[in-house]
Amino acid sequence: LAKTTQPISMDSYEGQEVNITCSHNNIATNDYITWYQQFPSQGPRFIIQGYKTKVTNEVASLFIPADRKSSTLSLPRVSLSDTAVYYCLVGDKESQGNLIFGKGTKLSVKP
Amino acid sequence: GAGVSQTPSNKVTEKGKYVELRCDPISGHTALYWYRQSLGQGPEFLIYFQGTGAADDSGLPNDRFFAVRPEGSVSTLKIQRTERGDSAVYLCASSRSSYNSPLHFGNGTRLTVT
Repeated sequence: LAKTTQPISMDSYEGQEVNITCSHNNIATNDYITWYQQFPSQGPRFIIQGYKTKVTNEVASLFIPADRKSSTLSLPRVSLSDTAVYYCLVGDKESQGNLIFGKGTKLSVKP
Repeated sequence: GAGVSQTPSNKVTEKGKYVELRCDPISGHTALYWYRQSLGQGPEFLIYFQGTGAADDSGLPNDRFFAVRPEGSVSTLKIQRTERGDSAVYLCASSRSSYNSPLHFGNGTRLTVT
């Protein structure tokens, strides 16, 4: 199973760009990389997904280098409401349903 | 549109009792997942359905835990002889298909075993 490693926590200030990097050294050829955001007392919420290079949506950007052994979630100009836990997942083709969440990265945005 | 609905939102039960947790997925989503989340931890995989069948139940901790999805829509997670260690938030998610489709989560059922 492809596993991921993320920093446990990060601090930032309002208006800054935040980059959270996830390592997934044993990613499989057909695996996609997906990021989720979770607020207290809520289920995780899909943010962005990608396979290679760069993906951008209205919320975030996802950068994936050519070797795909890592990925970086970029949140532009964070606000206090971006304080949450962010999870990086890698789809595992050997067990397609067993998507493993790590402990995630707790992002704290300060005024 | 309607998201994933989980009921009840909170459940308090006594040790040794039986509980059922319900999940209503998004209409048309064929894949359904159950996760368990303890405080400060990421969601822990329990079981995954593709349609009516459990495609992967490797995350169920023991035989006290069982889940069904008889008509390929609503799912029920059943816990027998509850223990205090079963206390957690139980999350349900659904997706259009299993592979690489984003998961849509409900807000969970907070189970407390006293």
